[in-house]
Amino acid sequence: SQQGEEDPQALSIQEGENATMNCSYKTSINNLQWYRQNSGRGLVHLILIRSNEREKHSGRLRVTLDTSKKSSSLLITASRAADTASYFCATDRGGNNDMRFGAGTRLTVKP
Amino acid sequence: EAGVTQFPSHSVIEKGQTVTLRCDPISGHDNLYWYRRVMGKEIKFLLHFVKESKQDESGMPNNRFLAERTGGTYSTLKVQPAELEDSGVYFCASSRRGGYTNSPLHFGNGTRLTVT
Repeated sequence: SQQGEEDPQALSIQEGENATMNCSYKTSINNLQWYRQNSGRGLVHLILIRSNEREKHSGRLRVTLDTSKKSSSLLITASRAADTASYFCATDRGGNNDMRFGAGTRLTVKP
Repeated sequence: EAGVTQFPSHSVIEKGQTVTLRCDPISGHDNLYWYRRVMGKEIKFLLHFVKESKQDESGMPNNRFLAERTGGTYSTLKVQPAELEDSGVYFCASSRRGGYTNSPLHFGNGTRLTVT
């Protein structure tokens, strides 16, 4: 069954602006991961946050996790046209590394 | 290291025919997963191998789908007979040894299956 649900479904911004995408999930998790997919390619892992962590940074990426609300957010700062892609959150529920994905957020960054 | 490779990249078949998709994971990765995405919807989990054993196959839609991973290396996913609703992009992913939590998945570029 679907676990992560991303919001919004689509987001269009200008280069240089920040992009925020949200993810909600339903069951307890071990960790939550964000992935990026460029059109016609496979998903690429961006960042992993464990259930006992609240915030994590990687370059221009900032991820937060609120386990009480069962939600996470991905912030991309100073966006670039090359950030145009679909972004997915995935959750590992049972510690078996069984990852469940949502439908993704389609981000378009206009130059 | 070589990434996850999938073959073919595209397949167009008629309803009722059989198709076999292949996935070669990253060498040494015990975990192998199959996912499917239909028309921009969620990436739906199909099944998870740990080495040659099926850890979880709860996402397999029906008995027309058969996944194998003989020897714990590459995997095949056979659809027989194919139906129109089987169309979509089938992704394979792998990750490090079984039981190692918090391990990122490495994805192949997918096989786009079109059933006409």
